[in-house]
Amino acid sequence: AQSVSQHNHHVILSEAASLELGCNYSYGGTVNLFWYVQYPGQHLQLLLKYFSGDPLVKGIKGFEAEFIKSKFSFNLRKPSVQWSDTAEYFCAVISGGSNYKLTFGKGTLLTVNP
Amino acid sequence: ETGVTQSPTHLIKTRGQQVTLRCSSQSGHNTVSWYQQALGQGPQFIFQYYREEENGRGNFPPRFSGLQFPNYSSELNVNALELDDSALYLCASSLDLAGVTDTQYFGPGTRLTVL
Repeated sequence: AQSVSQHNHHVILSEAASLELGCNYSYGGTVNLFWYVQYPGQHLQLLLKYFSGDPLVKGIKGFEAEFIKSKFSFNLRKPSVQWSDTAEYFCAVISGGSNYKLTFGKGTLLTVNP
Repeated sequence: ETGVTQSPTHLIKTRGQQVTLRCSSQSGHNTVSWYQQALGQGPQFIFQYYREEENGRGNFPPRFSGLQFPNYSSELNVNALELDDSALYLCASSLDLAGVTDTQYFGPGTRLTVL
């Protein structure tokens, strides 16, 4: 069964610091990968997604993620965070064997201090 | 906002009761998926409906059931409620079968508390 691991439960940064949130998945075949974000009081929304092609994916609000197949990883990055990036971030995967089932990690809470 | 709405916002039930949660998808979205999010966890897939038929199911018992209607609304029904059913229930709609090329748009969720 596919699974997703997010290494950090809570990350605290100051504004302008660089961000990298780790995500590893367990499935060895074809995968579609996602990062979702949930801002305080708002709906879960898509930040970026990888289906195929360029392993470096750019999303909204300056976020990007790199798919490294050999490491089963899909880490999220942002060069300079802002206070408004405070939110919970979820990595998710759909594997080729279950193309309807989105499996989420436990999430990483990011707190950005002004 | 995603155009996906859910009702009610909050609900309190007692163990053994039955509950129905409702979701209204974006117009034209043929797929709806339901997720359970326990406190401190990521959402867990319950099941998905495509054009009013169940298309896939996660590791949830049969007392979790659903319906999807032609007007882009759907329901999640849970019978014989247990304390562990306390969670945030999310629905997500997508244009076609989720995960192939399409994005899932999430609603705000229904917070269910079972006492």
